[in-house]
Amino acid sequence: KAGVTQTPRYLIKTRGQQVTLSCSPISGHRSVSWYQQTPGQGLQFLFEYFSETQRNKGNFPGRFSGRQFSNSRSEMNVSTLELGDSALYLCASSPPLGAKNIQYFGAGTRLSVL
Amino acid sequence: DAKTTQPPSMDCAEGRAANLPCNHSTISGNEYVYWYRQIHSQGPQYIIHGLKNNETNEMASLIITEDRKSSTLILPHATLRDTAVYYCIVRVVPYSGAGSYQLTFGKGTKLSVIP
Repeated sequence: KAGVTQTPRYLIKTRGQQVTLSCSPISGHRSVSWYQQTPGQGLQFLFEYFSETQRNKGNFPGRFSGRQFSNSRSEMNVSTLELGDSALYLCASSPPLGAKNIQYFGAGTRLSVL
Repeated sequence: DAKTTQPPSMDCAEGRAANLPCNHSTISGNEYVYWYRQIHSQGPQYIIHGLKNNETNEMASLIITEDRKSSTLILPHATLRDTAVYYCIVRVVPYSGAGSYQLTFGKGTKLSVIP
């Protein structure tokens, strides 16, 4: 079974630009969560989508948004990039309810904002 | 979710058992203990979880004290590939459609396996 796939793996943008990151969950997983990891703040939860609906959101500004498609694939978008948005962005998918509640993470997209 | 406390770093000799402690003194009765690890620049990887009984799988063993206020993750024969940051997370497992899979990560323990 293929794991969680995130594209692209690396991205370089400049301040003020916007960026879209993609995540393909494990087949059969309907929940997709996004996390931001920085050296200073560690791993922080961004948002979670389930069946195309956002059901949980972390404490991030509105510049960070996401969506989920009917095939469970998800995208996150960051508008008006700031230097502080440089981070590793991780996506995780989870199997159906009751199945141990495990999250499976992708390798991440490393975003550098110059 | 309950807060956890872990030592910031630990060393372990290759081939020896690595015992990683976690304190979760405010854990509630319906909260599980989860362990994940993150090898440098990769996504976190699930290791094991438990409620109150000790658990073992192919990767590790989880020992939870009787009062559930602390736990220990045991890697029986540590290898260099086990060098990683280990996260102990305590959370409720959602069984309803309104539940969330959100994980709250602390700073974890950086385990260095030494040859």
